[in-house]
Amino acid sequence: DVKVTQSSRYLVKRTGEKVFLECVQDMDHENMFWYRQDPGLGLRLIYFSYDVKMKEKGDIPEGYSVSREKKERFSLILESASTNQTSMYLCASREPGAPEAFFGQGTRLTVV
Amino acid sequence: DAKTTQPNSMESNEEEPVHLPCNHSTISGTDYIHWYRQLPSQGPEYVIHGLTSNVNNRMASLAIAEDRKSSTLILHRATLRDAAVYYCILMFSGGYNKLIFGAGTRLAVHP
Repeated sequence: DVKVTQSSRYLVKRTGEKVFLECVQDMDHENMFWYRQDPGLGLRLIYFSYDVKMKEKGDIPEGYSVSREKKERFSLILESASTNQTSMYLCASREPGAPEAFFGQGTRLTVV
Repeated sequence: DAKTTQPNSMESNEEEPVHLPCNHSTISGTDYIHWYRQLPSQGPEYVIHGLTSNVNNRMASLAIAEDRKSSTLILHRATLRDAAVYYCILMFSGGYNKLIFGAGTRLAVHP
């Protein structure tokens, strides 16, 4: 079974902290994604990586950066966490051209 | 990216069929129609996809209009476990794409 693993299920951070959300996939997929999900707003794409060291902004990249140094790992970075970044964060991976994307269980981040 | 339009919510009774509609009037010839669902407290999961012909799998059926401007996800016998948010997504067939989700349809299933 394909697995997409997010490092934490729940996280509480303070305003201004630098926050790293880690995502690892075990199927050698080229594409990886970071989304946030908020009530009433659905899933919104933050960043997308189509290969190692390659990234593309999604719909809401402001306040976030990403890192993909190895194919299996895609990190989302909040340089200075703010309360409006309190949200559920979801990571996904997919092979280009394949119909199915695989999602992690999500990280619920609370910034206080 | 071509957009999709879905009803915000739908309701069904257990054991009854459910037809979840999706409009995608600006679909291009190379876009596949994908459906995902998100169960409570979980990440989305793939349900089914198609290009032009109707498709069936163990989870659901996908009926695609002849002009491809709309499609319908069919759950033949809804169970309580089918209560979820269902997303209709258009995805370019080749290369990479951003996998953009809309708001989806929240399906409630009543016993």
